[in-house]
Amino acid sequence: GQSLEQPSEVTAVEGAIVQINCTYQTSGFYGLSWYQQHDGGAPTFLSYNGLDGLEETGRFSSFLSRSDSYGYLLLQELQMKDSASYFCAAQGGKLIFGQGTELSVKP
Amino acid sequence: NAGVTQTPKFQVLKTGQSMTLQCAQDMNHEYMSWYRQDPGMGLRLIHYSVGAGITDQGEVPNGYNVSRSTTEDFPLRLLSAAPSQTSVYFCASRRDRQDYGYTFGSGTRLTVV
Repeated sequence: GQSLEQPSEVTAVEGAIVQINCTYQTSGFYGLSWYQQHDGGAPTFLSYNGLDGLEETGRFSSFLSRSDSYGYLLLQELQMKDSASYFCAAQGGKLIFGQGTELSVKP
Repeated sequence: NAGVTQTPKFQVLKTGQSMTLQCAQDMNHEYMSWYRQDPGMGLRLIHYSVGAGITDQGEVPNGYNVSRSTTEDFPLRLLSAAPSQTSVYFCASRRDRQDYGYTFGSGTRLTVV
């Protein structure tokens, strides 16, 4: 089977840095993706790691270690608008999601 | 360019009824998928397609059928609705195997009573 584990909730303050971890167990793995979802709306694609290492996109960075079956999403300079659910997803022939991490950013 | 369009946005069904959730994309994407989202359960893959005429099962396919007769459309059929199928359904697409980011539709909120 395929499974991804991530924390259910994370709280941080505005301007801080937060890391959302994801461990996975899956077959046919190509890479790890991250998605953001606000208030049950359409999920939006944030990043993809096909190789080990860090990918940076503005305030967001994502990391993958294939040997550890582990990745994380790093959000810097947190803003109130970053309050949302964040999902890691294993990319293979199909895309399988973790259960999501609800991030609350406090003033 | 409308992206991924799902209809209807809301639907109430009685147990045992059948219906089709529509999904259309105008981006010439090869890959399309259907997900359902329940509270605290994340997004679970129902069925997916890697091109016209090709479909496969995801994690939770029972009670659902799909077909992909054109590149643009990927309808999801509920054969005999059950209260357990009350959920939010999302359709998503991506261009091809080298395109890693899926574009999601805005969802269909389905209630089965």
